[in-house]
Amino acid sequence: AQSVAQPEDQVNVAEGNPLTVKCTYSVSGNPYLFWYVQYPNRGLQFLLKYITGDNLVKGSYGFEAEFNKSQTSFHLKKPSALVSDSALYFCAVRDRNYNTDKLIFGTGTRLQVFP
Amino acid sequence: NAGVMQNPRHLVRRRGQEARLRCSPMKGHSHVYWYRQLPEEGLKFMVYLQKENIIDESGMPKERFSAEFPKEGPSILRIQQVVRGDSAAYFCASSPRRQGQETQYFGPGTRLLVL
Repeated sequence: AQSVAQPEDQVNVAEGNPLTVKCTYSVSGNPYLFWYVQYPNRGLQFLLKYITGDNLVKGSYGFEAEFNKSQTSFHLKKPSALVSDSALYFCAVRDRNYNTDKLIFGTGTRLQVFP
Repeated sequence: NAGVMQNPRHLVRRRGQEARLRCSPMKGHSHVYWYRQLPEEGLKFMVYLQKENIIDESGMPKERFSAEFPKEGPSILRIQQVVRGDSAAYFCASSPRRQGQETQYFGPGTRLLVL
């Protein structure tokens, strides 16, 4: 069965410091991996995705994520956090060998960036 | 290019009433997905539709819930005889075609409150 784990409910970081939001996944085949961000009372905004190719993926607002097949991880990173990055972050996976387009989401990680 | 549009943004219903949630996909997108977000949880897939076809409804509750995406007009998620447990945020997403790697773009959601 496909699944996504975001082990941290909340991540706190000081503005200007690097941030990491963790994500691990489980699929039967090769994954498509996605990161979305949700601001309060808003929909999800797409940040980045891994399909194939380079393991380091760059996305919107200075975010990047590294696909690690051996560790089945897709951690989200940013070199220097901003207060405006404070939001709820969701990792999602789709199994490319599974006959459906549905995304499986993690439970989300709340990022709090302090001034 | 307007994004995914959902209406209403907020919907209040009493137990036993019907709720109709509408979703207009992005221009050029022919694939629509519905997800439900319960309080303090991640998004759960409900149904995937193309024009006039339900492709995957594996996440839909067996009773009271239905979805359609007619040839003309928005996609509709219909909940009959609502109960308090139906209170949630319902998000619609769209993508241009079915290849799995395509990004799903989300609307702002409809927040349903059942009294």
